[in-house]
Amino acid sequence: GAVVSQHPSWVICKSGTSVKIECRSLDFQATTMFWYRQFPKQSLMLMATSNEGSKATYEQGVEKDKFLINHASLTLSTLTVTSAHPEDSSFYICSAKGRKLQETQYFGPGTRLLVL
Amino acid sequence: GENVEQHPSTLSVQEGDSAVIKCTYSDSASNYFPWYKQELGKRPQLIIDIRSNVGEKKDQRIAVTLNKTAKHFSLHITETQPEDSAVYFCAASGSYQLTFGKGTKLSVIP
Repeated sequence: GAVVSQHPSWVICKSGTSVKIECRSLDFQATTMFWYRQFPKQSLMLMATSNEGSKATYEQGVEKDKFLINHASLTLSTLTVTSAHPEDSSFYICSAKGRKLQETQYFGPGTRLLVL
Repeated sequence: GENVEQHPSTLSVQEGDSAVIKCTYSDSASNYFPWYKQELGKRPQLIIDIRSNVGEKKDQRIAVTLNKTAKHFSLHITETQPEDSAVYFCAASGSYQLTFGKGTKLSVIP
């Protein structure tokens, strides 16, 4: 149980384009999903928290107009990187937790984004 | 907000020896402390966790201890094996989100 999938696993795009990343909880209802960014050899940096049916809460320094988050259902959250630039290249990982899982977060496999 | 410090940043041990990673946290309201193992290019995997009403928890070769008074918790890996080589992250949670330490790169030398 507690499986989280993420799609795509990697993406290469041109500067200025938008990229959408999907995060799904496969066998539980995720009341809360989290989006992290991880640069090489660094820790996980929380970008935003999304609760189903409500607006995402963004961490300080994260541009909400650039990183659009939608948590439309209990099993799906999406992160859209709008007008991506090379400095947005990173490893993006989602995690999810549900009512029965209390505080435990389970991570997706991550999406590696390379913006040329 | 919560602040989690993790030490050491790198750790090399001989196969079969023990490894200890230590973390401190700042928010006394934190009550959940998971440890994640992350292999290169892969997702963090939960390996063990502890809640504030417990002082120690063990799962085979892995154990975690928690000292709420001092606000620190530690991960202990005994009889290390090469496959234990990875980056380990501690985290603390008081409300709904986790605050991660900066990670410890563990290398187990055969």
